[in-house]
Amino acid sequence: SQTIHQWPATLVQPVGSPLSLECTVEGTSNPNLYWYRQAAGRGLQLLFYSVGIGQISSEVPQNLSASRPQDRQFILSSKKLLLSDSGFYLCAWSSFQGAGNTEAFFGQGTRLTVV
Amino acid sequence: RKEVEQDPGPFNVPEGATVAFNCTYSNSASQSFFWYRQDCRKEPKLLMSVYSSGNEDGRFTAQLNRASQYISLLIRDSKLSDSATYLCVVNKGGGNKLTFGTGTQLKVEL
Repeated sequence: SQTIHQWPATLVQPVGSPLSLECTVEGTSNPNLYWYRQAAGRGLQLLFYSVGIGQISSEVPQNLSASRPQDRQFILSSKKLLLSDSGFYLCAWSSFQGAGNTEAFFGQGTRLTVV
Repeated sequence: RKEVEQDPGPFNVPEGATVAFNCTYSNSASQSFFWYRQDCRKEPKLLMSVYSSGNEDGRFTAQLNRASQYISLLIRDSKLSDSATYLCVVNKGGGNKLTFGTGTQLKVEL
């Protein structure tokens, strides 16, 4: 069976500090990978998605970046965090079959507070 | 127009009530549709996929109307445990990107 791991679960970081969140998927090959952010009381905002190693699409201009160094590893980074980067960060994976996606499966999320 | 739109609610309903949510999408080429449930401070979890012919899972019924570009979720005999935010998800134009609505909050009360 497929599983997705995301860590850490909670993070408190000072403004201006770097960020690295990691997500790994097990039990599947060539997944589509996603990073979403959810601000308090708001919906999910797609930040990045990837259809393969080294292939990253950015949805929203920001001071975050993403990388996919391995097939089942997706990393979200920032060189200098802003207060507005606080939120609930969710990694997800899906398979692309034929004309549409299968459902997406989420990691447990990282609650980031920038202070 | 937003890619996926939902009424944010909250919908406050008594236990046992029937409640329906709608979601509209803008891309007529969208091909995959889902409803997710998100509990407070948790990750979203798949509730059900939405098929062209409509589908039912226990107390939950999902329907797709391609002509009007909306999907619906009907919950019958609401339980307290149904209280959550329900997210509509649409695959954008047959590509690899799933787009989430902002969610509809449901509160089931005694």
